[in-house]
Amino acid sequence: GNSVTQMEGPVTLSEEAFLTINCTYTATGYPSLFWYVQYPGEGLQLLLKATKADDKGSNKGFEATYRKETTSFHLEKGSVQVSDSAVYFCALIQARGGGSNYKLTFGKGTLLTVNP
Amino acid sequence: KAGVTQTPRYLIKTRGQQVTLSCSPISGHRSVSWYQQTPGQGLQFLFEYFSETQRNKGNFPGRFSGRQFSNSRSEMNVSTLELGDSALYLCASSFPFPSTLAGGRDTQYFGPGTRLTVL
Repeated sequence: GNSVTQMEGPVTLSEEAFLTINCTYTATGYPSLFWYVQYPGEGLQLLLKATKADDKGSNKGFEATYRKETTSFHLEKGSVQVSDSAVYFCALIQARGGGSNYKLTFGKGTLLTVNP
Repeated sequence: KAGVTQTPRYLIKTRGQQVTLSCSPISGHRSVSWYQQTPGQGLQFLFEYFSETQRNKGNFPGRFSGRQFSNSRSEMNVSTLELGDSALYLCASSFPFPSTLAGGRDTQYFGPGTRLTVL
């Protein structure tokens, strides 16, 4: 079956530091890949997505590139802010054809804390 | 456009009781999926409904059930509650019609969740 492995952290950084959260996946076919973010006491917010190999998703200064050759989708940000403190989840879905594969498979999440 | 809404936001129940959670998807979305989030197991898929039919189900016991109405709103029910059912239950909607709309078929948008505590 499908699986997602991401660094579990916690990750603690100072403001303006560079962020990388590693994510690798196992899937048959061609999944779509996502990063979701969860702030304390809230649901999941879509941060960015990529639907095919070499696609780069980006949003709010975060970026991730769909690397099929290494089955990876690492999240990066050049300069983190205190407001980026949250839990980040890497996920995949196989949407083509819908049906029994239509479900998100998540990594375990990475807690990021950014100190001023 | 309003996002996914879930009610209630918080629930406290005792063992053996049953509970019903509600989810209203983004207008125009036809698929509703449910996930359970716990510290130990992380995010786990419960089931997905599309056009009032359960299309996909995760590995949860039969005490967990759901349904979808003609307006795409969904409910999930948990009967005979156990302590281990304490969790954040998240609903997500997707499959806008037509699917060429921004977001497409693959993107699921989540609600704020219902925090269930079983005592």
